[in-house]
Amino acid sequence: GENVEQHPSTLSVQEGDSAVIKCTYSDSASNYFPWYKQELGKRPQLIIDIRSDVGEKKDQRIAVTLNKTAKHFSLHITETQPEDSAVYFCAASRGGGNKLTFGTGTQLKVEL
Amino acid sequence: GAVVSQHPSRVICKSGTSVKIECRSLDFQATTMFWYRQFPKQSLMLMATSNEGSKATYEQGVEKDKFLINHASLTLSTLTVTSAHPEDSSFYICSARGALGSDQPQHFGDGTRLSIL
Repeated sequence: GENVEQHPSTLSVQEGDSAVIKCTYSDSASNYFPWYKQELGKRPQLIIDIRSDVGEKKDQRIAVTLNKTAKHFSLHITETQPEDSAVYFCAASRGGGNKLTFGTGTQLKVEL
Repeated sequence: GAVVSQHPSRVICKSGTSVKIECRSLDFQATTMFWYRQFPKQSLMLMATSNEGSKATYEQGVEKDKFLINHASLTLSTLTVTSAHPEDSSFYICSARGALGSDQPQHFGDGTRLSIL
C-alpha cells in the first residue's frame, strides 16, 4: 500500500518568514495530493491540492510543488502569520475521492 | 456547499458501552464515506471505506466486529464502537465523497472525541 513520509515534524518560523514542508510517497499510481490544516480538536481543512498532471499550483500565500519522478511534493507558505500556526498534513491517493494516506503531520508555529 | 455533519461531537461513557457515531452529508449525496481514527498528536489513520448499500471495506488490523459500519442511505453512515474500552478512546473523523465519481474530493466532518472511562 501507499506510504507517505512528512518532514519536519515541527517547524518554528518568525512572522513574515516562509515555511516549507516536504512529503514523499511510495505508490507511483497516486495522482492526487492534498494538503490539510488542522487546528486542535477540529476537522482537517483542505488548503490546497495538486494532481499529477500539474507540477505547481499557487493560491495567494500558499503553493504546492510536485515532482513525480522523485515522488515528492512540498507545501510552501510565504509571509507567514500567527494564524498559520496549526498542524499540517500532506496526503496521497489514487483519485481525489479515494482513500487518503496521510503523512505524519507538521506542527507549524509562527512566532511574533 | 459540501457540508458533512458528524454527531455527537463528544462522548464520555463507561467501559463496555457501545457508542454510535453518525456522519451525514447535508447538501450532497455521498456514495462513499470514509472513517478515520486519530490519536493525540498523531496522523489520521483510515479505518474503513463505506459504500452505500454494500458492506464496508476495512483496513488491515481493524476489527470489523468491533467497529460496525452501516451506510444505509446516500446521506448517512454510522460507526458503532461495540463494547468500548479505554484503548478505544480517540478522535474519530468521517469524510464523504460525492456521487459524481472517484475524482471528487473528500469533505470532512467535525470529528467525535470518544473517551471511555
